Amino acid sequence: EVQLVETGGGLVQPGRSLKLSCVASGFTFSSYWMYWIRQAPGKGLEWVSSINTDGGSTYYPDSVKGRFTISRDNAENTVYLQMNSLRSEDTATYYCAKDQARSGRVYPFAYWGQGTLVTVSS
Amino acid sequence: DVVLTQTPVSLLISLGGQASISCRSSQSLVHSNGNTYLHWYLQKPGQSPQLLIYQVSNRFSGIPDRFSGSGSGTDFTLKISRVEPEDLGVYYCLQRTHNPFTFGSGTKLEIK
Repeated sequence: EVQLVETGGGLVQPGRSLKLSCVASGFTFSSYWMYWIRQAPGKGLEWVSSINTDGGSTYYPDSVKGRFTISRDNAENTVYLQMNSLRSEDTATYYCAKDQARSGRVYPFAYWGQGTLVTVSS
Repeated sequence: DVVLTQTPVSLLISLGGQASISCRSSQSLVHSNGNTYLHWYLQKPGQSPQLLIYQVSNRFSGIPDRFSGSGSGTDFTLKISRVEPEDLGVYYCLQRTHNPFTFGSGTKLEIK
């Protein structure tokens, strides 16, 4: 059974840093791109970052580019999100997600973790 | 960036009724490979989102045939027939044709 478990959220002051982790199990972690998606309280979903299978390629929207860094450790089945220079607008639940691939088809964001809440406030 | 405009913002549907949600894109979602990467998700209260429909019209595993997706280019629709209590929540469209990936703003389905 696929499981994605995010940790590392909490209360942080504006301008400070926080690192989120997502431990994966139930699938061959090193074969899948991984993603972070966030949801501000009472708001919609926003894609935050993507990382390819070996960690050599990463992608971000402009809203976090230069401040957030996604990385992965395939030996530990873990994907990380390093968040620097945090702002109040980064307050959100952060979800880790993966696609499912089967018989040549890709099912986008087929699996999600339960999310971890990051609150940026003084 | 691609903007996905979802309408309506909310829906109040009777049990057994039909719901229709529109997702309009600011640009064509047809990829250079010919595929259209427009997908639909449902976020039930207190839960993480779940995949319903991928690539416009394909139901994900375990999704009942009451859910159907259609559309092309910039105009897409999710229909839910014979609405049941477990269908309540917020529905989102997502495009992965262009970077950055973008979601629609969501449609809240409430049951009468």
